[in-house]
Amino acid sequence: DGGITQSPKYLFRKEGQNVTLSCEQNLNHDAMYWYRQDPGQGLRLIYYSQIVNDFQKGDIAEGYSVSREKKESFPLTVTSAQKNPTAFYLCASSIEGSGFFYEQYFGPGTRLTVT
Amino acid sequence: GQQVMQIPQYQHVQEGEDFTTYCNSSTTLSNIQWYKQRPGGHPVFLIQLVKSGEVKKQKRLTFQFGEAKKNSSLHITATQTTDVGTYFCAGGGGSYIPTFGRGTSLIVHP
Repeated sequence: DGGITQSPKYLFRKEGQNVTLSCEQNLNHDAMYWYRQDPGQGLRLIYYSQIVNDFQKGDIAEGYSVSREKKESFPLTVTSAQKNPTAFYLCASSIEGSGFFYEQYFGPGTRLTVT
Repeated sequence: GQQVMQIPQYQHVQEGEDFTTYCNSSTTLSNIQWYKQRPGGHPVFLIQLVKSGEVKKQKRLTFQFGEAKKNSSLHITATQTTDVGTYFCAGGGGSYIPTFGRGTSLIVHP
């Protein structure tokens, strides 16, 4: 059963703490993405990775970090430097294309609340 | 960077009425995709358009890509309560990274 998993579904943290969100895929996709979704804001790109051990900043990377040590995994760390971390976080993967983007498969998302 | 504008932000309809959402870009798009996100869910791919003037249909849904490849639309005929959700377009101009519109939330009143 192929797909993307994200855990946990809901996460609560105190302000000042770093938190890592998990994203795993078994679709054999090279490209993986992290998006943040706020009401009325659509999907904003945080980080993306085309290949293992390589990743690039998206539009709103400040206060976030990622790693890509395995093809299947692309964890996102929300650091204490992120000023407004409460949001819905979505991970996605796709076939990697040069000059063309392909269908994105999304995970179920993690809803992070920081108080 | 690439910007994709999507309107309207919200649309209320009575069940059975039609619905249309529009996506516009200031630059030419290589391709455009449409996704649907149900309330509390995650975006799910609906379709991709690549060719200028392309029209594709999925049952009651009709997708169009403009002749200049700068705009696209999604039209739903005779909405049903199962159509409720937010519809996103995602466009790109020669990059493997798509730019998502802000989405149109469809509310269907029975």
